Amino acid sequence: KNEVEQSPQNLTAQEGEFITINCSYSVGISALHWLQQHPGGGIVSLFMLSSGKKKHGRLIATINIQEKHSSLHITASHPRDSAVYICAVWAVNQFYFGTGTSLTVIP
Amino acid sequence: DGGITQSPKYLFRKEGQNVTLSCEQNLNHDAMYWYRQDPGQGLRLIYYSQIVNDFQKGDIAEGYSVSREKKESFPLTVTSAQKNPTAFYLCASSDNWGPYQPQHFGDGTRLSIL
Repeated sequence: KNEVEQSPQNLTAQEGEFITINCSYSVGISALHWLQQHPGGGIVSLFMLSSGKKKHGRLIATINIQEKHSSLHITASHPRDSAVYICAVWAVNQFYFGTGTSLTVIP
Repeated sequence: DGGITQSPKYLFRKEGQNVTLSCEQNLNHDAMYWYRQDPGQGLRLIYYSQIVNDFQKGDIAEGYSVSREKKESFPLTVTSAQKNPTAFYLCASSDNWGPYQPQHFGDGTRLSIL
């Protein structure tokens, strides 16, 4: 069983749509990170959350510690947002990663 | 610009051969990590190093070895004991080891068996 579950697995959206990607975890965590993996394979860190909500440009990330759930929202989606979004949680002295949500934004 | 460099981008291994994947960072980070990514699975931790001259096994260390003789370098050797080495390998670093440090990733090495 995976400690981290993401949904949906795949997502296709029209340019301009509001997008939500979900992450649920089953273990006690110290922090949760959202990552973006580009088609070439490189990964960049988007957010680190231990509580509440963070916003960076068109991206918003929230976490509910009691419900063990986090969401990543993208407002006014754009084709350049097409990537795999990965949720990672820190538990038992290391990161555990979800399998990712593959997002395609169509012009 | 600071960053992490992995080489080569593509690597082919013959049966019974050891191969070494290079990872170099110029971010002055103490902690470095090696992950393996397989289709349909999340990243899995192979080895990590909190500081130079120290490293620890991750969840899937069998068939792999590492060294951390210099702060900026953390090479991974895939030995012949690793029976299923075909995967995408990612190296990462962070300022310190711990939950609140964002990880910086290299562009990865794709290893295949000939």
